[in-house]
Amino acid sequence: NAGVTQTPKFQVLKTGQSMTLQCAQDMNHNSMYWYRQDPGMGLRLIYYSASEGTTDKGEVPNGYNVSRLNKREFSLRLESAAPSQTSVYFCATATYGSYEQYFGPGTRLTVT
Amino acid sequence: QKEVEQNSGPLSVPEGAIASLNCTYSDRGSQSFFWYRQYSGKSPELIMFIYSNGDKEDGRFTAQLNKASQYVSLLIRDSQPSDSATYLCAVNLNTGFQKLVFGTGTRLLVSP
Repeated sequence: NAGVTQTPKFQVLKTGQSMTLQCAQDMNHNSMYWYRQDPGMGLRLIYYSASEGTTDKGEVPNGYNVSRLNKREFSLRLESAAPSQTSVYFCATATYGSYEQYFGPGTRLTVT
Repeated sequence: QKEVEQNSGPLSVPEGAIASLNCTYSDRGSQSFFWYRQYSGKSPELIMFIYSNGDKEDGRFTAQLNKASQYVSLLIRDSQPSDSATYLCAVNLNTGFQKLVFGTGTRLLVSP
């Protein structure tokens, strides 16, 4: 039982490049979230998905897009990376109706 | 005023002492409160949650909630060096969907 997995673990991009961060869960949770964590800023919600087929913006959605491919997978796409998107990205999941969120191991992204 | 506030620390305590971590929140409608532990370079791990006023104990951890004062705290008894980590307070947003707002965390250092 892997829980929540994220790929890749580390990534370095040049400004303007694109990439997709992948998140998958085997917890049978309905809700999935993408956060970024920056020093002194805490965890900030980028996008979330209440259930398969729905996605909504969080606190800091600009520069990102998401896809809820199925119940298990929720991907985050950077179309044109900027240095301001250098951060650690976490995916989290929760069962529907619960606030208890469980986090993946994170992706450390550097944009040069 | 930030929605969830924590002292960034570090809070230094000797091994065996009680560590007291505090968190205040701004939304009087919040009903669910969480404490996450995050080791350096790792993802947040849920360690406690509390929904009702008063105390909730789980092993060496006690969460305390005072909704009138909009205050939640985490006590760690018999602190161990392995408790050294950043502790994140999270509070639900009263927005109709299960979103959390995170504080920036308090760094705890337990010295042997």
